[in-house]
Amino acid sequence: SSELTQDPSVSVALGQTVRITCQGDNLRNYYASWYQQKPGQAPVLVIYGQNKRPSGIPDRFLGSSSRNTASLTITGAQAGDEADYYCSSRDSSGNVFGGGTKLTVL
Amino acid sequence: QVQLQESGPGLVRPSQTLSLTCTVSGDSINYGAYYWTWIRQHPGKGLEWIGYISYSGDTDSKSSLQNRVSMAMDTSKNQFSLKLTSVVAADTAVYYCARGSLPAYNDGWTFDFWGQGTLVTVSS
Repeated sequence: SSELTQDPSVSVALGQTVRITCQGDNLRNYYASWYQQKPGQAPVLVIYGQNKRPSGIPDRFLGSSSRNTASLTITGAQAGDEADYYCSSRDSSGNVFGGGTKLTVL
Repeated sequence: QVQLQESGPGLVRPSQTLSLTCTVSGDSINYGAYYWTWIRQHPGKGLEWIGYISYSGDTDSKSSLQNRVSMAMDTSKNQFSLKLTSVVAADTAVYYCARGSLPAYNDGWTFDFWGQGTLVTVSS
């Protein structure tokens, strides 16, 4: 099965913009979805498809895609955005998740 | 609002079968193009897709787990279940159930509602 690669950790200053990336061959064919997970909680869907947000997710969360890379951009980062972020996409045997990126808001 | 709730033993002996049930409220599991999915997370690690049972009863699972995984649905109780046989310590994880879909032809799997997760420990 294919893999999705994420940077283990990223930091951003309060109020600034941060991009979290996800690389994988299957991203050339399928959009990624993105999940936010805070400690002790279940993941929450924040972005899916071509930059679609579920109800209740602020428009500070933006998704984009180019070639084999999907990106989650968070503008005006807030302390509450500190979490693990996982990308996910289809592969030949079902679904695959990236390893996750820990976002620290400084 | 769709809600999912996992239930099952928190401790399973090695070589035994892990059995979990997910109870769904706010949606009917056999209506609509949804795929009722199991995902697990090893302690301190990332997410791992296990498999799904569809609204029509079709199943699919991760190839490395396929020979140990079975899934079923009970529409009368609006529940779906996971069985994982011959468990080992490496199967210790938080197990989540989630509602999955493919919103568009080129979208990846999208999991929009999740249970709170249940920790299953494999130990003697």
